[in-house]
Amino acid sequence: QSALTQPASVSGSPGQSITISCTGTSSDIGIYNYVSWYQQHPGKAPKLIIYEVSNRPSGVPDRFSASKSGNTASLTVSGLQAEDEATYYCNSYSSSGTFGVFGGGTKLTVL
Amino acid sequence: QVQLQESGPGLVKPSQTLSLTCTVSGDSISSGNYFWSWIRQPSGKGLEWIGSIYYSGGTYYNPSLKSRVIMSVDTSRNQFSLKLSSVTAADTAVYFCVRYYQLLNWFDPWGQGTLVTVSS
Repeated sequence: QSALTQPASVSGSPGQSITISCTGTSSDIGIYNYVSWYQQHPGKAPKLIIYEVSNRPSGVPDRFSASKSGNTASLTVSGLQAEDEATYYCNSYSSSGTFGVFGGGTKLTVL
Repeated sequence: QVQLQESGPGLVKPSQTLSLTCTVSGDSISSGNYFWSWIRQPSGKGLEWIGSIYYSGGTYYNPSLKSRVIMSVDTSRNQFSLKLSSVTAADTAVYFCVRYYQLLNWFDPWGQGTLVTVSS
């Protein structure tokens, strides 16, 4: 069982927006602004798309945005494109002292 | 451009030790700016952090795997390694080596991953 909870799947049509939630606790997301998000296409390695809750690395389209409220972080993909179809993982720093507390992943399907 | 490449046997027998090496190019492990990590992913499942090592040899391991994991670093070759002992079929997964920036908690870039199957 993952330390962070994500919905198993979300879907949307091209051009629409979707939001993926990532729920943690007061030991991780609730107290640290160090949430990161990763995009993984089938058969490929994950790719960093968001760090420090809402910052995008260079090269990541601004269609990807993210935020945090309380113990829940959220990733929004606007103007959905076919290439956005992938699995998305959240990650948060944790007071447990371990690195890399991941969510279980959310499969985004572009209809 | 920083690149990481995993190498090692793709098939390991049950009860034996899984050994993988990650070769880093485009960055120096000795720079001290990052931790160097292993993350695995069983087929169709999520990501599991295994452990991270600093250039000085300091390590952090996933508590659930700690008793079976040893990580090491070879700064002269710009490589770091993973050993996972007493493997079972549950250890079958794609293993990724990844650079980790602790100050901002991000993993980037990732190696392409290598599939390790535990089977007799």
